[in-house]
Amino acid sequence: ETGVTQTPRHLVMGMTNKKSLKCEQHLGHNAMYWYKQSAKKPLELMFVYNFKEQTENNSVPSRFSPECPNSSHLFLHLHTLQPEDSALYLCASSQDRGGTGGRNYGYTFGSGTRLTVV
Amino acid sequence: KQEVTQIPAALSVPEGENLVLNCSFTDSAIYNLQWFRQDPGKGLTSLLLIQSSQREQTSGRLNASLDKSSGRSTLYIAASQPGDSATYLCAAGSNRDDKIIFGKGTRLHILP
Repeated sequence: ETGVTQTPRHLVMGMTNKKSLKCEQHLGHNAMYWYKQSAKKPLELMFVYNFKEQTENNSVPSRFSPECPNSSHLFLHLHTLQPEDSALYLCASSQDRGGTGGRNYGYTFGSGTRLTVV
Repeated sequence: KQEVTQIPAALSVPEGENLVLNCSFTDSAIYNLQWFRQDPGKGLTSLLLIQSSQREQTSGRLNASLDKSSGRSTLYIAASQPGDSATYLCAAGSNRDDKIIFGKGTRLHILP
């Protein structure tokens, strides 16, 4: 375990379902991230939260809705997804974003949620 | 716009050999470069982090180097073992927008 825990590990959902992915870290980090990893593509940054505030949304469709209630927890709410949204969704954290912490200590990733949309 | 390239996309070598994985980046304005390992279907495990002011970092059988002026980083693995089989990704942190950009990775297979 890296200190960043993601649940569930695997998720199969229909296009009309609503589900949520959860990420939790107890590293004392203040920045949290959602990444999408599709086959044969580089990791794509989706959202960034710094001190619970969303600081970045990389043109992600509204069917993905993030929530960060505190610096330790991050959710990704999913609704009316498409089959092309099937991917590995990775959560990461760093000490902070834009400050010396994130730059000095790098990122810690969770094990990911393998999502399949049918 | 920063682009990070890893060549080759896949590599197979016999057990026991030393090997080098390559990572190149187009914009030298980086604050660090991080190497990760990813096992199939799993998350990323951080291996080494090199700050822009450093030339190399070492951890056990792994050594990572950074040459900002030429836009290159290498990950050297000594005395490779079957357990080293995984995908290795590099990521460069950009000074311009504070984003980290990932390469697509090199899939390494160590033959027993």
